[in-house]
Amino acid sequence: DIQMTQSPSSLSASVGDRVTITCRASQSISSYLNWYQQKPGKAPKLLIYTASNLQSGVPSRFSGSGSGTDFTLTISSLEPEDFANYYCQQSHSTPWTFGQGTKVEIK
Amino acid sequence: QVQLQESGPGLVKPSETLSLTCTVSGGSISSYYWSWIRQPPGKGLEWIGYIYYSGSTNTNPSLKSRVTISVDTSKNQFSLRLSSVTAADTAVYYCARLEREIQTGTYSLGYWGQGTLVTVSS
Repeated sequence: DIQMTQSPSSLSASVGDRVTITCRASQSISSYLNWYQQKPGKAPKLLIYTASNLQSGVPSRFSGSGSGTDFTLTISSLEPEDFANYYCQQSHSTPWTFGQGTKVEIK
Repeated sequence: QVQLQESGPGLVKPSETLSLTCTVSGGSISSYYWSWIRQPPGKGLEWIGYIYYSGSTNTNPSLKSRVTISVDTSKNQFSLRLSSVTAADTAVYYCARLEREIQTGTYSLGYWGQGTLVTVSS
């Protein structure tokens, strides 16, 4: 199985901050990497697909980059509604696997 | 706008079979892949498997032969059965629709149900 490792596991940030979350795959997954946002008690929501494509309806302050084994999710200017958990997921090969998550908290 | 809704018992006894159904509304189940994902309380996400509307499946080997995913196109539903459950199977179970990216042919989980908590306990 491909292992996905996110860092950091949690971070504290203020509204307006630039936030970067990293996801590393245990082997090359090309650009087959998706990012999800999950708020407490809610289902995950697709933010970014295939590493850098913004899902329809997702604010442009979210962006993704990377290929191979190293990927990043960036929030250019944190908004109050962005405080949540974020997960990366590889769709290169089954079994699909997720990172352990990054919790973005209010500083 | 497609909507997904999970349904099934919220409590299952150890060694019994967990059965859930996902009802799709606002769109046809045909021509898409559909998936199950679960999340133990306070933990991360685990992919269980997916099914094409035609019935072909792909499941997580970690669940070995305990998982069965099926589809009923006449009812616009697909289902999950997980046998011989233990407390480790306690989780929120989500159903989702796969979205295919045209250029690469890869998939993401684009539409999700709200999730349903299944507790395994006697």
